[in-house]
Amino acid sequence: QLQESGPGLVKPSETLSLTCSVSGGSISTSPYYWGWIRQPPGKGLEWIGNIYYSGITYYNPSLKSRVTISVDTSKSQFSLKLNSVTAADTAVYYCARYYYYDSGTYYRYFDYWGQGTLVTVSS
Amino acid sequence: QSALTQPPSASGSPGQSVTISCTGTSSDVGGHNYVSWYQQHPGKAPKIIIYSVSKRPSGVPDRFSGSKSGNTASLSVSGLQAEDEANYYCISYAGGSNLVFGGGTKLTVL
Repeated sequence: QLQESGPGLVKPSETLSLTCSVSGGSISTSPYYWGWIRQPPGKGLEWIGNIYYSGITYYNPSLKSRVTISVDTSKSQFSLKLNSVTAADTAVYYCARYYYYDSGTYYRYFDYWGQGTLVTVSS
Repeated sequence: QSALTQPPSASGSPGQSVTISCTGTSSDVGGHNYVSWYQQHPGKAPKIIIYSVSKRPSGVPDRFSGSKSGNTASLSVSGLQAEDEANYYCISYAGGSNLVFGGGTKLTVL
């Protein structure tokens, strides 16, 4: 299971911080990356980035300058920081498990998702 | 990278079949066999229904199928049921560990 947590309201120009807690399995399992995806109200999904338990990260080029994803294996958590937020960053933020590679085969899809958490950017 | 192009809406009557397209480029859909499809009901998280273009995870009905031709991937739903009414999204690997998402298609069961 994956569960997002963090403030539901962030002021413009500040930093959005969210944490995803992973339970029912190890975050250090090799076939998986861990990802963040967001969805503005009434709109489609947008990939933010993925992280491997070793700390390797991949970011959406359009958000890369403002995003940091980190992992804490001791707590089975990974986190998202998005700085200099504006109203355009208002969205439901999902964390998800990315099935990457296993036993000689690439998979590359999100197999488990958290329930999502709404973050509103407003003063 | 640019988003994948999906039709905003699709519809069909119960029992009919419907196909949703997902068009990209040779750098994403056309260049890799890692297109996945997700079903999202209102207020819920997306759920995987197709991966690697045409493979179904266990538990997904065989009414759902996927295919690809050139730079366009397709999701087909046969024997439409009321519970299939949802939003559907495609995602493609785009090389260099980048991912690109489709804009989503709202499927209405008439």
